[in-house]
Amino acid sequence: NAGVTQTPKFRVLKTGQSMTLLCAQDMNHEYMYWYRQDPGMGLRLIHYSVGEGTTAKGEVPDGYNVSRLKKQNFLLGLESAAPSQTSVYFCASLRGTAPRGGYTFGSGTRLTVV
Amino acid sequence: EDKVVQSPLSLVVHEGDTVTLNCSYEVTNFRSLLWYKQEKKAPTFLFMLTSSGIEKKSGRLSSILDKKELFSILNITATQTGDSAVYLCAVERNSGGGADGLTFGKGTHLIIQP
Repeated sequence: NAGVTQTPKFRVLKTGQSMTLLCAQDMNHEYMYWYRQDPGMGLRLIHYSVGEGTTAKGEVPDGYNVSRLKKQNFLLGLESAAPSQTSVYFCASLRGTAPRGGYTFGSGTRLTVV
Repeated sequence: EDKVVQSPLSLVVHEGDTVTLNCSYEVTNFRSLLWYKQEKKAPTFLFMLTSSGIEKKSGRLSSILDKKELFSILNITATQTGDSAVYLCAVERNSGGGADGLTFGKGTHLIIQP
C-alpha cells in the first residue's frame, strides 16, 4: 500500500517555465489537497478537491491551477513559474466517510525556480 | 480567518526529559485539532482531538484539548533522540458537506540532545 505518492521529488525550473506536479493516492480517499511549506511559514493550503471533477481555492491559490480528472490523482500546475514559488510542495488526502482519521501526506516535491 | 499559534518555536532538551508543546487556536466552527510529527519529509499523523475525544495517548506521547480555552498541549515523556523533529499543530473547521483543509501553525522544532 503506497499511500500518497508525489512525482517528481525534486525539480529546478527557470523563471517563466511551466510544470505539473502529480499526486496519486491508492486509498480511495475522496478529498485531496495541495500545500506549500516555506521556512518560518508552516504549511499553507493552495487548492483542494472534495471529489472527482471538483476543485476549490485555498489560502494561497494565485499562480497555480489544479485538476482532478480521476479520483486517485490530483495535479498541480504552474503555468509561468516565479522565484516566489520556490518551496516544498506537499499533497495530502483524506477519507470522506467515517471514521475519517487524519490527513495522509506525501513525501513532498522540492521545487526551485531560478 | 483561522489562526494557529504554536509555542515555543524551538526547544532543546536532554534525552530523558519531559517536554510540553503548546498550541492555541482560533477557528470558525471548530471540527478537530491534529498533531503531526515532521522529520525530513512528510508530516506523519500523531493525534486527532475533537469534541468527543479531548485526550489521546500513545506510548510516551499524549495530548489534550481544552475547547473552552482554545488550546492543546502535546506531551512527550522520557524523550529520545528519535523524537527530534518539527511538531505541527493544525485545526480543521466544520464546513458542512466536505473538508476544506487544515490551517497549520508554524511548528515547534524540538531537538533532543544525547
